[in-house]
Amino acid sequence: DADVTQTPRNRITKTGKRIMLECSQTKGHDRMYWYRQDPGLGLQLIYYSFDVKDINKGEISDGYSVSRQAQAKFSLSLESAIPNQTALYFCATSDSGSGFAGELFFGEGSRLTVL
Amino acid sequence: RKEVEQDPGPFNVPEGATVAFNCTYSNSASQSFFWYRQDCRKEPKLLMSVYSSGNEDGRFTAQLNRASQYISLLIRDSKLSDSATYLCVVNPNDYKLSFGAGTTVTVRA
Repeated sequence: DADVTQTPRNRITKTGKRIMLECSQTKGHDRMYWYRQDPGLGLQLIYYSFDVKDINKGEISDGYSVSRQAQAKFSLSLESAIPNQTALYFCATSDSGSGFAGELFFGEGSRLTVL
Repeated sequence: RKEVEQDPGPFNVPEGATVAFNCTYSNSASQSFFWYRQDCRKEPKLLMSVYSSGNEDGRFTAQLNRASQYISLLIRDSKLSDSATYLCVVNPNDYKLSFGAGTTVTVRA
């Protein structure tokens, strides 16, 4: 089983619908991240959380919200999906000892299509 | 200007060849540098960190040139399994990582 698990892996939805992407991890890391990947662009950080009570906006947080339900769970919500949120979304974790200077461990990705 | 820029490729090379490519970064204060590998439709995985003195991991060699603000990756004796997209990742400060869009390498038999 993967150490970082994302659900759903694929989702097609319509404009205006609320969508939640979930991420859970068994690595015991306290830092978790949500990124999106678009063709021809580098991964862009949406939100990050250094622990359960610490949540921060990333580069492209508009239109997204997150919830850190537990150390092992970090969910991303699109309150009202729009077509330009069609992308591949990755959850990632890292060890607090390394933070942004250390290795990120990614989930397998959630491919979202907004029609 | 993008924080991290990479030649998207693709670099098409025969098995056994050497392939090398660079990535440039804009923030001269960047402290940490990495190469990640991403297979088609899969998650990125750390290939190697890049140290100031340069470092090698088997057939892979990474170099850092701070004066010109670029890092490089060289793959010797290419294998079919090296076919992937290689992401250049730079840590410009304590609160983010900047990812390049990736360089695609295709190794042919």
